[in-house]
Amino acid sequence: AQTVTQSQPEMSVQEAETVTLSCTYDTSESDYYLFWYKQPPSRQMILVIRQEAYKQQNATENRFSVNFQKAAKSFSLKISDSQLGDAAMYFCAYRSADSGNTPLVFGKGTRLSVIA
Amino acid sequence: ETGVTQTPRHLVMGMTNKKSLKCEQHLGHNAMYWYKQSAKKPLELMFVYSLEERVENNSVPSRFSPECPNSSHLFLHLHTLQPEDSALYLCASSQYPRTSGRDEQFFGPGTRLTVL
Repeated sequence: AQTVTQSQPEMSVQEAETVTLSCTYDTSESDYYLFWYKQPPSRQMILVIRQEAYKQQNATENRFSVNFQKAAKSFSLKISDSQLGDAAMYFCAYRSADSGNTPLVFGKGTRLSVIA
Repeated sequence: ETGVTQTPRHLVMGMTNKKSLKCEQHLGHNAMYWYKQSAKKPLELMFVYSLEERVENNSVPSRFSPECPNSSHLFLHLHTLQPEDSALYLCASSQYPRTSGRDEQFFGPGTRLTVL
């Protein structure tokens, strides 16, 4: 079974600075998808960024980018120019790329605080 | 209403009560999910419904009973719960079948359940 590990329960960053959240995963599959979800204090979880394992290019979405290291099974999230609104729980998630309705496997999350 | 809505947002119940959580999605999706989110633990997938049929039941105790009357609505019926069932219960939806695993799940705001 696949597992996702987020080794940083809490992180903090100064406003306008850059922070990197770590995620590692374990799988025997070669094709899969990785996601970062954000859960603000209001609790509605939203997708931040996704990465297809077959793509070597790291995904970027505005101030959010990932460092995907397939061989190392690492998928870190970098937030540049941090803003107060970035404060939230961040969850790394994995999904198999098979054609069935395979579920997401989540890590325990990292709580990010942004200091003004 | 847009996205995924959940009611109630907060629920306090005794161990002998019977209550239901409701989820409604306005995205035209045909797969819906119940997750349990406890402190310091990964999100736990409880149930998956695709095309209104239950396709996954992750060894959830029978005191949790899901119901999916149509593709837009999902219920979680609760009875004789235990204090350890206190958690945030999240509903999500997505489109199934998927041509790829990149389709994201859209989450509701959750119901904060406290069992006394």
